[in-house]
Amino acid sequence: QQQVKQSPQSLIVQKGGISIINCAYENTAFDYFPWYQQFPGKGPALLIAIRPDVSEKKEGRFTISFNKSAKQFSLHIMDSQPGDSATYFCAASTRRTGNQFYFGTGTSLTVIP
Amino acid sequence: DGGITQSPKYLFRKEGQNVTLSCEQNLNHDAMYWYRQDPGQGLRLIYYSQIVNDFQKGDIAEGYSVSREKKESFPLTVTSAQKNPTAFYLCASSNTGRNNIYFGEGSWLTVV
Repeated sequence: QQQVKQSPQSLIVQKGGISIINCAYENTAFDYFPWYQQFPGKGPALLIAIRPDVSEKKEGRFTISFNKSAKQFSLHIMDSQPGDSATYFCAASTRRTGNQFYFGTGTSLTVIP
Repeated sequence: DGGITQSPKYLFRKEGQNVTLSCEQNLNHDAMYWYRQDPGQGLRLIYYSQIVNDFQKGDIAEGYSVSREKKESFPLTVTSAQKNPTAFYLCASSNTGRNNIYFGEGSWLTVV
């Protein structure tokens, strides 16, 4: 059973456009929602994260929008650049299960120059 | 330089062999994890450990074994019972009470 569902599987965006990746979850015990960026042949790296007590968090060109009632959260990449081309994973965790992390299936983003 | 070190980066296994992937962290993290990633796929949890001398199976533990004799080390053995071991293996760690999980650079295992 997939605890965190992520879409789309792949995304192609023009340079300067907005990239949007969506995730949904069911377990209301989740209390931390990070996004990871992974380049080919590398380990994922933490990009940005949010807790459910806020609806939005912005860091540079990256924004997480969080909808607690809908149990959904999304990553927005503004002014997308070719260097943003990577695979993005959403995740969720809760201290109630000893910090076990549940990952989405990933989105392969390609930004076309 | 703090971080997670995985070795080797590339490993080739013959049919019927056991191989061990090393993972060392100097972040003083309590929890450590092993994930498997197949090309174009997500991360699947193999094993995780919250404390020394204790570990739990993840979603795809069959054919794998681990040990946690030291806080900083969490080696993964891919046994001959794992029928399709060719994949990218990622080790990670996190600190109890904090939510961030950090990954190593990964190890590629190929069966020849």
